[in-house]
Amino acid sequence: AQSVSQHNHHVILSEAASLELGCNYSYGGTVNLFWYVQYPGQHLQLLLKYFSGDPLVKGIKGFEAEFIKSKFSFNLRKPSVQWSDTAEYFCAVNGDNTGKLIFGQGTTLQVKP
Amino acid sequence: NAGVTQTPKFQVLKTGQSMTLQCAQDMNHNSMYWYRQDPGMGLRLIYYSASEGTTDKGEVPNGYNVSRLNKREFSLRLESAAPSQTSVYFCASSDGRPHGPQHFGDGTRLSIL
Repeated sequence: AQSVSQHNHHVILSEAASLELGCNYSYGGTVNLFWYVQYPGQHLQLLLKYFSGDPLVKGIKGFEAEFIKSKFSFNLRKPSVQWSDTAEYFCAVNGDNTGKLIFGQGTTLQVKP
Repeated sequence: NAGVTQTPKFQVLKTGQSMTLQCAQDMNHNSMYWYRQDPGMGLRLIYYSASEGTTDKGEVPNGYNVSRLNKREFSLRLESAAPSQTSVYFCASSDGRPHGPQHFGDGTRLSIL
């Protein structure tokens, strides 16, 4: 069965610090990978996705992620975080043709001003 | 831009009561999904509907039923609510492509006493 693991459950950073959130998945076939963000009190929004091509994908608000197939990883990065990036971040994978997503446990990011 | 609309936003039930959570989307999407979100567990798929007239179980279907009323609407029913079903419920929709992003509603916060 597919699974997604996010290693960092709660991250606290100061503004301007760099961010990297880990995501590993277990699935041997072709996968589509997503990062979603949930700001306090809001619904989930898509940050970025990978399904083919350049393994380094750029998303909204300066976020990027790199797909490393050999490591089954899709880590999220941002060079300099802002207070407004405080949110919960979810990695998700789809490995079949149904569009169903398997989500990781989520990482809560708190950015201190 | 309504997107995905869920009702109600909040609900408190007593153990054994029944209720239906409503979801409607206006993006002409084929696929719709119901998730529950619990602390430290991410989002888990309850049921999904790949197209009008079809429904399938997800990861945690026990205690729930669904109806895909038409292309726009996908409801989730708790026949006999249990405290373990206290959660935040999210409805989502997508065009059904494996790499198509899902669009989420604002969620229903459900407490069962």
